[in-house]
Amino acid sequence: EEQLVDSGGGLVQPGGSLRLSCVTSGFTFNIYAISWVRQAPGKGLEWVSTISGDGRAKFYGGSVSGRFTTSSDESKNTVYLHMNSLRSDDTAIYYCARGNGDYMGDFHLWGRGTPVTVSS
Amino acid sequence: ELMLTQSPATLSLSPGEGATLSCRASQFISKYFAWYQQKPGRAPRLLIYDISRRATGVPARFRGSGGGTDFTLTIYTLEPEDFAVYYCQQRGNGLTFGGGTKVEVK
Repeated sequence: EEQLVDSGGGLVQPGGSLRLSCVTSGFTFNIYAISWVRQAPGKGLEWVSTISGDGRAKFYGGSVSGRFTTSSDESKNTVYLHMNSLRSDDTAIYYCARGNGDYMGDFHLWGRGTPVTVSS
Repeated sequence: ELMLTQSPATLSLSPGEGATLSCRASQFISKYFAWYQQKPGRAPRLLIYDISRRATGVPARFRGSGGGTDFTLTIYTLEPEDFAVYYCQQRGNGLTFGGGTKVEVK
């Protein structure tokens, strides 16, 4: 069964850092791009980042560019989201998601989401 | 940045009725247009991609249509489980989501 398990969320102070993980299983890791999508409380969906299957291409949404980075470890079938300089408006549920190819969007597969709260 | 505007924000309907949800893009979009359904406390579920292709397991009562800058999700004969929030998404120019349409019980 194809599966994404996202984790690593929690409470962090403004200006702090956090690393989210997305452990994948049930499919060939390096032929699919993996993205992060977030949802602030009571709000809509916002694309955060995408990393290509081979880990070489990375893309970021405007609100996180320069503060967040994504990486992957094929030996662990895991994608990471490294979040720095966190702000209160980064508070959200963060989902990892996968489409049906090595591209962003059209997310057929989702994790359950991990909550991030940025507050002092 | 390409923006997607969904309307209406809320649709109040009864089970058995039909629903028409709209999404307008600020620029021309290629075929890479999708719709999602989200229920409270759950991850979104992909319904439609490439404008009109239903994802695996999506019932035939969900139909996507449109092109250019105007796209529509039609739900024929609402079932109780269809009351949810629906989002549109494009991936032809970066990746953006619309603000959502809530389909609620009248």
